[in-house]
Amino acid sequence: DIQMTQSPSSLSASVGDRVTISCRARQSITSYLNWYQQKPGKAPELLIYAASSLQSGVPSRFSGSGSGTDFTLTISSLQPEDFATYYCQHRGTFGPGTRLEI
Amino acid sequence: VQLVESGGGLVQPGGSLRLSCAASGFTFSNFWMSWVRQAPGKGLEWVGQISRDGGEKHFVDSVKGRFTFSRDNTKNSLYLQMNSLRAEDTAVYYCASEGSGTTFVSWGQGTLVTVSS
Repeated sequence: DIQMTQSPSSLSASVGDRVTISCRARQSITSYLNWYQQKPGKAPELLIYAASSLQSGVPSRFSGSGSGTDFTLTISSLQPEDFATYYCQHRGTFGPGTRLEI
Repeated sequence: VQLVESGGGLVQPGGSLRLSCAASGFTFSNFWMSWVRQAPGKGLEWVGQISRDGGEKHFVDSVKGRFTFSRDNTKNSLYLQMNSLRAEDTAVYYCASEGSGTTFVSWGQGTLVTVSS
């Protein structure tokens, strides 16, 4: 399995901020990279699939980019409901998560 | 789309437990399904997956030989049989439907398994 890392592990931000979360694979995974959001006590939800495709129903302030080994999740203008933990994932491996806090 | 897990609970080390996942709102038999778990306060861990007809299964190394998956497409149900349970198997277990490239498209609410004496 390919190891996935995320940075930062936690992040403090304010409503309206632009936020970027990074995910790196140990070797190239082309565009097979997904992003999930998880709120406390809830199941994860798919945000972005295939590195840059927005899942149906997900607000357009979320976007993904990257290919190969380096990927980015961007939230263009943070909303109160965006404070959560974000995970990247490739096949059977999840990144360790990034906790986004107020 | 709805996925509803059940069957979690408290079990002693070395014991067994069977989880179920009831699917509705989509054509269950058209989708690979996965189990993902999350230990208390920890990140997500993929447990394994089962193919559309149940003929192909893949497991994470830590559960090989102890866990198995099955599905009944006539009942729109997925199952996780867990044997020889260990304390480190304590987690919330989620079932998830897969899209292409092992994308976890829809998730259940999870069921908590606690392995403790």
